[in-house]
Amino acid sequence: ETGVTQTPRHLVMGMTNKKSLKCEQHLGHNAMYWYKQSAKKPLELMFVYNFKEQTENNSVPSRFSPECPNSSHLFLHLHTLQPEDSALYLCASSQTGTANTEAFFGQGTRLTVV
Amino acid sequence: EDQVTQSPEALRLQEGESSSLNCSYTVSGLRGLFWYRQDPGKGPEFLFTLYSAGEEKEKERLKATLTKKESFLHITAPKPEDSATYLCAVQNSGGGADGLTFGKGTHLIIQP
Repeated sequence: ETGVTQTPRHLVMGMTNKKSLKCEQHLGHNAMYWYKQSAKKPLELMFVYNFKEQTENNSVPSRFSPECPNSSHLFLHLHTLQPEDSALYLCASSQTGTANTEAFFGQGTRLTVV
Repeated sequence: EDQVTQSPEALRLQEGESSSLNCSYTVSGLRGLFWYRQDPGKGPEFLFTLYSAGEEKEKERLKATLTKKESFLHITAPKPEDSATYLCAVQNSGGGADGLTFGKGTHLIIQP
């Protein structure tokens, strides 16, 4: 148990489907992140939320739509994805404005687009 | 643009055989350098944060060091359970919540 919980752990979806990934952090942090991890590539930062406000969008296609209703919850809404979007999607949280800024990750959602 | 390069990509050691993993980085202003461990199918697990050159941190068989251009993760007398992918990441000193820039990782295998 890492303090950051992601659901579902596995997801298979067709290219015309709409689905959502959910992330919840129990660490009292004020920043949350979405990362994408593809085979043989570094983790790629997708979105950053600080105090519920989106502060960074790393040129992510519009078929990925984040939502952060409060500092503890983060969603990633998916629609009309492509097979190359298949990857491990990781959520993380951290506390900004303090000496300890390390991010803590969830276990990820393994997404397969068919 | 921040960059992180890890070497080697893969390393196979015998149990008890000590070694070091390298992380070279370029960043306009370093807020922190982070080491994570990742097991297959799981999220990265936080190990260390280093903030300034000369800093060292230890945890069990692992020791992380930092210079102005690179960091090393030293593994002393490793055991099979140390097998994992070790990730290095940097955070820029820009204000607010900044994400991490990761390297590709070093896949470490410890053979009994």
